Amino acid sequence: DAGITQSPRYKITETGRQVTLMCHQTWSHSYMFWYRQDLGHGLRLIYYSAAADITDKGEVPDGYVVSRSKTENFPLTLESATRSQTSVYFCASSGGRNEQYFGPGTRLTVT
Amino acid sequence: AQSVTQLGSHVSVSEGALVLLRCNYSSSVPPYLFWYVQYPNQGLQLLLKYTTGATLVKGINGFEAEFKKSETSFHLTKPSAHMSDSDEYFCAVSSNSGYALNFGKGTSLLVTP
Repeated sequence: DAGITQSPRYKITETGRQVTLMCHQTWSHSYMFWYRQDLGHGLRLIYYSAAADITDKGEVPDGYVVSRSKTENFPLTLESATRSQTSVYFCASSGGRNEQYFGPGTRLTVT
Repeated sequence: AQSVTQLGSHVSVSEGALVLLRCNYSSSVPPYLFWYVQYPNQGLQLLLKYTTGATLVKGINGFEAEFKKSETSFHLTKPSAHMSDSDEYFCAVSSNSGYALNFGKGTSLLVTP
């Protein structure tokens, strides 16, 4: 199906484990983004990518790693999960300096 | 740096009343401004956007917003609230980070009977 998808939708993991959140878009958008949403903070940018093999840090990148080997995929990895990374994670894509299209989100709980 | 401030984390209005959600921005460059709505357990959906041109922009579901440069504001309005408008609303401004958006903290709108 066309659009932007995220998997898993829900994830519970333990402190110290590595977790990868997947994001896939079918529009061939150049730009992709990862945000986290926390109560009282709105959405904050973790990482973004302007094209395949081009990524850069956002506002809150510590503890996260991204890669973009293909235009349509933009996985986010938590190398060693901490409780402070419990959040809802949104992936988004954009064709340029216009609206972004958001995925449905992944709710991650770190115990 | 570009940023937005949403005044009022919670707004309550009666069904049929005017909806006004406030957003003020700061930007060192001409801003691109957006309003998104978040439905429960879902991602964000674009309501409307201002890029250039007409300062009054109309969006989906009867919402509109006016870009006022002199007031650095981009308030969201709807003439008559419906119960189904009860959701979380986010104002956003384009940033310098690869076209990412800087979001406000959100306003939860509750429409009561």
